This record gives sequence, structure tokens and C-alpha cells, in this order.
Amino acid sequence: SQQGEEDPQALSIQEGENATMNCSYKTSINNLQWYRQNSGRGLVHLILIRSNEREKHSGRLRVTLDTSKKSSSLLITASRAADTASYFCADAGGTSYGKLTFGQGTILTVHP
Amino acid sequence: GAVVSQHPSWVICKSGTSVKIECRSLDFQATTMFWYRQFPKQSLMLMATSNEGSKATYEQGVEKDKFLINHASLTLSTLTVTSAHPEDSSFYICSAFLAGDGEQYFGPGTRLTVT
Repeated sequence: SQQGEEDPQALSIQEGENATMNCSYKTSINNLQWYRQNSGRGLVHLILIRSNEREKHSGRLRVTLDTSKKSSSLLITASRAADTASYFCADAGGTSYGKLTFGQGTILTVHP
Repeated sequence: GAVVSQHPSWVICKSGTSVKIECRSLDFQATTMFWYRQFPKQSLMLMATSNEGSKATYEQGVEKDKFLINHASLTLSTLTVTSAHPEDSSFYICSAFLAGDGEQYFGPGTRLTVT
């Protein structure tokens, strides 16, 4: 069953603006991962944040994790048209063997 | 490193026929692979966990006799959609779990269209 819920479901912004996407999950987790998917393509792994971490950065990406609220957010700063894609969070629950449950995703459109 | 391939990238088949999709880990061995299905504008739904040398574990609601999974080697898992129907048309994505770093690596997906 789908655990993760993301909001917004769709986000439309102008180039240069920041984009924030949120994800909630229901069970305890070892880590939470964020992926990007361009239309009709496979997944690109963006960032993994472990349950004992609260914030993580990678280039223009910033991910936060609040285990007390069972939520995470992905911030893309200074967005570019090339960032247009669907973004998914995924968690493996308490497992260590990689079985992921994906959120419903946010469709991000960045207008040039 | 950690590249996963899928073949074919797209396939069109007639209703009632079977189609096989391959998932390969190119530069690492994976005892566990996963198969997901994604309908348009929706998220990925896990179909089954493929375990090398043993039977696959299917998620609730997934027909194991319709979606046959074989994980015969540490680098190859196959998904066969048997007696395909138009409602099986979807994007099928596999992934391979690399135990060494605890991460899952995804294939590029296979677009199946059943006419």
C-alpha cells in the first residue's frame, strides 16, 4: 500500500524561484530517499537522508527530515527549466533490504 | 558504477500473447531485485520482490500466475506478462538492491502497450 503522500501534487514556478515539495510517511523508517523522473523515463536517485539526520544538502537540493512528524521536504533552489520533472519520496520502512514504498509524487514545472 | 538495464525499452504486443522483460545489473551482483508498475501520471507501485534462487514475493493484489518472475542469476531477473490484456499496458520498472551501500538502483523502464 502507498504510505507516502506528497504535496503539492503539482507545482508550477518560474525559473530562478525555489521549489519546495513535502512528503509524509506512516511507519518508522531507516532512511528516506528522493527521486526524480523525467516524463516517460526511469528514476534518478537524488538524495538519501537517514533517520538520524535532520538535514542534508546536495548542490541545489536541500532535504529535511522530521521523524516526529513523519515528514520530509525537498527544496530545489534557483530552479531551472531542466528541473521540470516528477519528484518522488520513497521509504523502505524499517527494512534493510531495499523494498521501497513511493509517495504519490509532485509534478514540477519550471517555466523559462 | 551500479547500472541497471532493462530490455526491451518498449514493446507492443497483441492481447493474449506473453511478453518477457529483462532486468540486468551490469556491474554488480544483486540477490534482490524489485519490479514496479507505473500507470500514467501515477506513482510507482511495487509488484514483487525477486530473490535469486528462490520464488518471488508478490504484493497483495498482484497475480503471480500472470506476472511470472524468474531470478536465475545474480545479475538477471525477468518478468513475463502472460496472456496480456490492454489493462496491462503500463510502464514497468525494475530495480536492483546493492547490499553493500544499501541503495536501490533503477532500470530505465519498459513501456508495454497491449493492443
